[in-house]
Amino acid sequence: GNSVTQMEGPVTLSEEAFLTINCTYTATGYPSLFWYVQYPGEGLQLLLKATKADDKGSNKGFEATYRKETTSFHLEKGSVQVSDSAVYFCASRDSNYQLIWGAGTKLIIKP
Amino acid sequence: EAGVTQSPTHLIKTRGQQATLRCSPISGHTSVYWYQQALGLGLQFLLWYDEGEERNRGNFPPRFSGRQFPNYSSELNVNALELEDSALYLCASSSSTLYGYTFGSGTRLTVV
Repeated sequence: GNSVTQMEGPVTLSEEAFLTINCTYTATGYPSLFWYVQYPGEGLQLLLKATKADDKGSNKGFEATYRKETTSFHLEKGSVQVSDSAVYFCASRDSNYQLIWGAGTKLIIKP
Repeated sequence: EAGVTQSPTHLIKTRGQQATLRCSPISGHTSVYWYQQALGLGLQFLLWYDEGEERNRGNFPPRFSGRQFPNYSSELNVNALELEDSALYLCASSSSTLYGYTFGSGTRLTVV
């Protein structure tokens, strides 16, 4: 079945550092891919998505490119802020419209 | 447009009691998903309802149950509460034409 694997956390960076959170998926075909963010004490929010190969999703300075060759959807940001501290979830959508979730990566940004 | 609303925000129950959690999806969304999030990290899939029917169930005991009403709102019931049921319970809604889910803020259940 489909699965999503993302790098374990926590990931700790200094403010203005470059961020990469790795995400790879296994699936039949080419599922839509998502990144969600969960700020402390809140539910999950959709951060960005890509629906086909080579699509680039972007939002709030974050980007992720759908790479079918490497079955990856890595999240990147050029300069992180303390306010980016949160848990980030990668997900893929299966043929039944259900989302398959990664385990989540906690990001800690220090001033 | 109102988002996904969950109630109550916090719930404290004694071991052995029953808990009822409620979720109202975004207008027009017919699917509701329930997740358990313990220890603030991984999402464990509980239940999926669509058009009033249970479509899929995660690997949880039968004391976790729920239903979806004709207006697409949903209820999650947890019977015979155990200490390890303490977690954040998240509800999400979607429609078949929507890419992704919209989440509520969750219900924090504490079993003492």
